[in-house]
Amino acid sequence: QKEVEQNSGPLSVPEGAIASLNCTYSDRVSQSFFWYRQYSGKSPELIMSIYSNGDKEDGRFTAQLNKASQYVSLLIRDSQPSDSATYLCAVNPWGGGYQKVTFGTGTKLQVIP
Amino acid sequence: DAGVIQSPRHEVTEMGQEVTLRCKPISGHNSLFWYRQTMMRGLELLIYFNNNVPIDDSGMPEDRFSAKMPNASFSTLKIQPSEPRDSAVYFCASTPDTDNEQFFGPGTRLTVL
Repeated sequence: QKEVEQNSGPLSVPEGAIASLNCTYSDRVSQSFFWYRQYSGKSPELIMSIYSNGDKEDGRFTAQLNKASQYVSLLIRDSQPSDSATYLCAVNPWGGGYQKVTFGTGTKLQVIP
Repeated sequence: DAGVIQSPRHEVTEMGQEVTLRCKPISGHNSLFWYRQTMMRGLELLIYFNNNVPIDDSGMPEDRFSAKMPNASFSTLKIQPSEPRDSAVYFCASTPDTDNEQFFGPGTRLTVL
């Protein structure tokens, strides 16, 4: 079983819709969770981090964490064509200042105008 | 702030040649990470330095790969001898001790013929 799993997609949504991206992880003691966005040919950039169960909102983005189910998701409201990219889920199971994270292979999102 | 700087941006070499990739982290960041990204395997951590000391090199694929961080502002990843299966995009990322957000450089696209 992979440590961090994501559906590779592509996930296609119409412009203005909600895009829902999902990620599961295997290590129950994981501490920190991140969503990175990577445009084609570019480097990953952090868009959200979440550390506690529940929802965290930042503009059109909402991260949801459920540690009991070992599940983290990213919702993008009012999706725009500029949101088309690959979204990488990353997990740090160690905490305590150990900063290594494990990345999923990413979900490709396509927002159709 | 110039961000993480990597050089070269593109490298084409022949099998058996030595390849050296370079990285300058963001000033003040204490941790540095080298990643390799391919379509098949996604983003894989190769090695992680903290305060110039290698903390975790379990991702280094084999002895042909080596990495150094002689000071806080410079790191190298060397492949000797290179093989076609080493073809990938290599990213360097840095982060301050106080945070988990990793800032990625633009990457080096390596092609080994």
